[in-house]
Amino acid sequence: QVQLKESGPGLVQPSQTLSLTCTVSGFSLTSNSVHWVRQPPGKGLEWMGGIWGDGSTDYNSALKSRLSISRDTSKSQVFLKMNSLQTDDTAIYFCTRFGGAPFDYWGQGVMVTVSS
Amino acid sequence: DIQMTQSPASLSASLEEIVTITCQASQDIGNWLAWYQQKPGKSPQLLIYGATSLADGVPSRFSGSRSGTQYSLKISRLQVEDIGIYYCLQAYSAPLTFGSGTKLEIK
Repeated sequence: QVQLKESGPGLVQPSQTLSLTCTVSGFSLTSNSVHWVRQPPGKGLEWMGGIWGDGSTDYNSALKSRLSISRDTSKSQVFLKMNSLQTDDTAIYFCTRFGGAPFDYWGQGVMVTVSS
Repeated sequence: DIQMTQSPASLSASLEEIVTITCQASQDIGNWLAWYQQKPGKSPQLLIYGATSLADGVPSRFSGSRSGTQYSLKISRLQVEDIGIYYCLQAYSAPLTFGSGTKLEIK
């Protein structure tokens, strides 16, 4: 069955780089896209960006200068790297599949706190 | 960027009542509109895609409609398990954008 699981550090220091991994199963990364969505505590959902089946990427305009999304199809993994983290980047980070429908499956999310 | 204006921000309704949430797109997005439900501490769950198609396993009391660039989610008979926050998403063009959310409570 389709599954996505995020992994990465729970705590990142200000100005440092966040690296997250989304490991997927039950579907192909070359025929589906995977996106990252984040949610600050008590706030709404924000689309960060995604990598499409052909390997092309799209990013939220507000994050584009700091964000990079890539993948390793042989390992069924999608990566997020975002630099220059600040306290307002504290959020739950989700990866989600854009398959037959937009964001039809989601990971459980990983809480990332930016603090010294 | 396409803006999605969602209303109301919060809603309190009685059991068995009909509930409607709307999203207004800032430009034409066709049927590239989806609705999600998020319960506390959980990941969002897809309810409706293609503006009107019910996702697998979603109760038939949920339905979606479109009138031009205005999209609506209707819950025909509110149940206790429907409490949560609802979001719309436009998937017409990048950057993809969510509505600001509607918090639904039982009166």
